[in-house]
Amino acid sequence: SQTIHQWPATLVQPVGSPLSLECTVEGTSNPNLYWYRQAAGRGLQLLFYSVGIGQISSEVPQNLSASRPQDRQFILSSKKLLLSDSGFYLCARGVGQGPYGYTFGSGTRLTVV
Amino acid sequence: GQQLNQSPQSMFIQEGEDVSMNCTSSSIFNTWLWYKQDPGEGPVLLIALYKAGELTSNGRLTAQFGITRKDSFLNISASIPSDVGIYFCAGHLNTNAGKSTFGDGTTLTVKP
Repeated sequence: SQTIHQWPATLVQPVGSPLSLECTVEGTSNPNLYWYRQAAGRGLQLLFYSVGIGQISSEVPQNLSASRPQDRQFILSSKKLLLSDSGFYLCARGVGQGPYGYTFGSGTRLTVV
Repeated sequence: GQQLNQSPQSMFIQEGEDVSMNCTSSSIFNTWLWYKQDPGEGPVLLIALYKAGELTSNGRLTAQFGITRKDSFLNISASIPSDVGIYFCAGHLNTNAGKSTFGDGTTLTVKP
């Protein structure tokens, strides 16, 4: 199974509050893991990716950070949320080690108010 | 960075009609992928293409990897109501730590 567990499904947070979104994956060890954000009516923007424990690469400068404390755990965080952080956040794992696409989690809808 | 142009942005069709959408890039990719996203869910991989010129089918879906490696199309034949959703193309380079670049999606509405 290549199942991805993502929670919570929805979240409403005030501006300036902290954020922690968690993603855990099943299946083969040492997967490539990704955090994407999807704005309303738009495509997917890659935020972070990780090829191993403790290895994080950031794609765009932003108010968010990511960590990978365990092989199958990927966390997206913020110390102080901005209105512009609202969106649909998706965790994904690579299928196999080659370019075989992603398996996505069911996403977290974040609304910053 | 690389960008993908996906068209059309949206489509409204009658049930039973065929659908065609495409994706173009200014640079080449080694792999083209097509995903479908249902409302409130993560995208699901439909088809993956690995060779220039490759034509692959998955049920009523057919996708092709362009000869120039800079484009791909997806066709859906005899559309049904459950085809409704957002279809994304994605391009992938083998040397890119598994990162894919996504198009902005084509929103498909099927009228019964």
